[in-house]
Amino acid sequence: DTAVSQTPKYLVTQMGNDKSIKCEQNLGHDTMYWYKQDSKKFLKIMFSYNNKELIINETVPNRFSPKSPDKAHLNLHINSLELGDSAVYFCASSPGSGNNQPQHFGDGTRLSIL
Amino acid sequence: GNSVTQMEGPVTLSEEAFLTINCTYTATGYPSLFWYVQYPGEGLQLLLKATKADDKGSNKGFEATYRKETTSFHLEKGSVQVSDSAVYFCALAGTASKLTFGTGTRLQVTL
Repeated sequence: DTAVSQTPKYLVTQMGNDKSIKCEQNLGHDTMYWYKQDSKKFLKIMFSYNNKELIINETVPNRFSPKSPDKAHLNLHINSLELGDSAVYFCASSPGSGNNQPQHFGDGTRLSIL
Repeated sequence: GNSVTQMEGPVTLSEEAFLTINCTYTATGYPSLFWYVQYPGEGLQLLLKATKADDKGSNKGFEATYRKETTSFHLEKGSVQVSDSAVYFCALAGTASKLTFGTGTRLQVTL
């Protein structure tokens, strides 16, 4: 009964490939997020969706494209992978988009580019 | 823009020692403040939160008070355990619940 689940947990691939990471939450939350954590543990938001609508889009290369087929899912597709994309990607969700709403995180997807 | 500054680690303590991890912030408006904890190989878990000035968040023996006058949200625990070893992140939520994180502080507790 994992609240926020991401797949895969590990992803090893070559530069130039296209890959997707899936995220699902069973908490009934309206808002979902993608974060990137670099090798120094620094966390930065990439995207946020509220009820399938994009509400936050940080300065992220357009090789990254989020897709929310419904409010329980937010997938991340990455085209033409580069070495600098190596990181841990975390999905999160919250009940709504108000600033007092705590976010629930998945366990992360470790992406390694060869 | 919003920013969070927290003390650099690692912080190494003996079991039962007192813990303080400093966190200060810069923000417009009235942000909510959070502490998250990340255990090895896991995602972040909410540890505690405070949504307005002078609020005190507390959980599992950890406490932090939202100090508007000093723009701080320092994390404290009176007696740490080995199981508290983790990375601790201070964060603030501005508009649209966008979280801005500090750089994280690694805590190592030894017997």
